[in-house]
Amino acid sequence: QSALTQPASVSGSPGQSITISCTGTSSDVGGYNYVSWYQQHPGKAPKLMIYDVSNRPSGVSNRFSGSKSGNTASLTISGLQAEDEADYYCSSYTSSSTPYVFGTGTKVTVL
Amino acid sequence: QVQLQESGPGLVKPSQTLSLTCTVSGGSISSGSYYWSWIRQPAGKGLEWIGRIYTSGSTNYNPSLKSRVTISVDTSKNQFSLKLSSVTAADTAVYYCARERLAALDYWGQGTLVTVSS
Repeated sequence: QSALTQPASVSGSPGQSITISCTGTSSDVGGYNYVSWYQQHPGKAPKLMIYDVSNRPSGVSNRFSGSKSGNTASLTISGLQAEDEADYYCSSYTSSSTPYVFGTGTKVTVL
Repeated sequence: QVQLQESGPGLVKPSQTLSLTCTVSGGSISSGSYYWSWIRQPAGKGLEWIGRIYTSGSTNYNPSLKSRVTISVDTSKNQFSLKLSSVTAADTAVYYCARERLAALDYWGQGTLVTVSS
């Protein structure tokens, strides 16, 4: 099972909006509405930011939003803040040999 | 608030078995429709799913590790465990335990670094 494809890095200035893409196939992202996004600060465990494509867990800022079109899911961070600088990973349920697969990860830099 | 905490040796010799335990607090490991998962992350690299166990005891493993992995659950202690046999330096990583529901990992342990070295 190949990892989902994410851009290695995305950057933006404070207050701007950025979007991270997560590209898979019809066997994962495109076939199911079970896409999640995780934020990971250095030395910390990942934190669930979005589940089921576009739902936010309690306590997650509404500056984070998720969407999906075809085989590509997206995470948008609006009103970018310094604290948003972190690595972001997507994951999706998959019909292949593993129940779900992670993305390659994207480093978000706040300029 | 559910909390997970990994524990186990931080150093394992090559060819030996890595053993980690995840203790769950703030809720029963037997309640709800949850999977209990292990994920690892080599330094500077991405996340790799290792496997998971359901409250019934049924398991799923990553095919690339399946021959070496065993995940078990002890409901009396509210714990689940990971055993990875015949380890090599490639198994050096931070190991996380997490709770999963419908392919979303909503609670994670802090992670524990396991180094494979003689």
